[in-house]
Amino acid sequence: GNSVTQMEGPVTLSEEAFLTINCTYTATGYPSLFWYVQYPGEGLQLLLKATKADDKGSNKGFEATYRKETTSFHLEKGSVQVSDSAVYFCALSPGFQKLVFGTGTRLLVSP
Amino acid sequence: SQTIHQWPATLVQPVGSPLSLECTVEGTSNPNLYWYRQAAGRGLQLLFYSVGIGQISSEVPQNLSASRPQDRQFILSSKKLLLSDSGFYLCACSPSPSGRADNEQFFGPGTRLTVL
Repeated sequence: GNSVTQMEGPVTLSEEAFLTINCTYTATGYPSLFWYVQYPGEGLQLLLKATKADDKGSNKGFEATYRKETTSFHLEKGSVQVSDSAVYFCALSPGFQKLVFGTGTRLLVSP
Repeated sequence: SQTIHQWPATLVQPVGSPLSLECTVEGTSNPNLYWYRQAAGRGLQLLFYSVGIGQISSEVPQNLSASRPQDRQFILSSKKLLLSDSGFYLCACSPSPSGRADNEQFFGPGTRLTVL
């Protein structure tokens, strides 16, 4: 089946620290991979995506590389800000117009 | 670009009462529509999706139902709420019904439901 596993949070960092949030997946075929972000009290927003192996998605200083050999799509940012505090969801699309989400990782950035 | 409206934004209902949550979409035609539930501290669970008017697919058995009376309107309902129905309900749309695997979904602001 299709599933996404994310590291448990919360991840607590100081401002300007390096961020990594791990995401691994299980899928049949060749899914597209996504990172969504949810700020407090809001819906989800697409942060970045990658549609095939070795693609790198990037946006707002965040990036993630589609690694087929390790079935991973880890999210990274070189220098986090307080405004990056949110819940981050990794997701895959196996086709059929659906998304399969991980459980989310809460990021807390302190000044 | 598409905009998704959800209302109400928050709702407190007693156990056993009915429920109706509404989602409307602007800026796109014939979208795929989705209802998700996010329980406290947990991930997103797909409840229903729809590829067209009157076409509803249910992902999990429950006491909720969904309807799509118009192309850009998606309604989530219950006849009798349970305590376990509490959560954050998100409506989403995918503007391209082509079935491509890289279709992203766009989310509404959500409705927070508390059942007491």
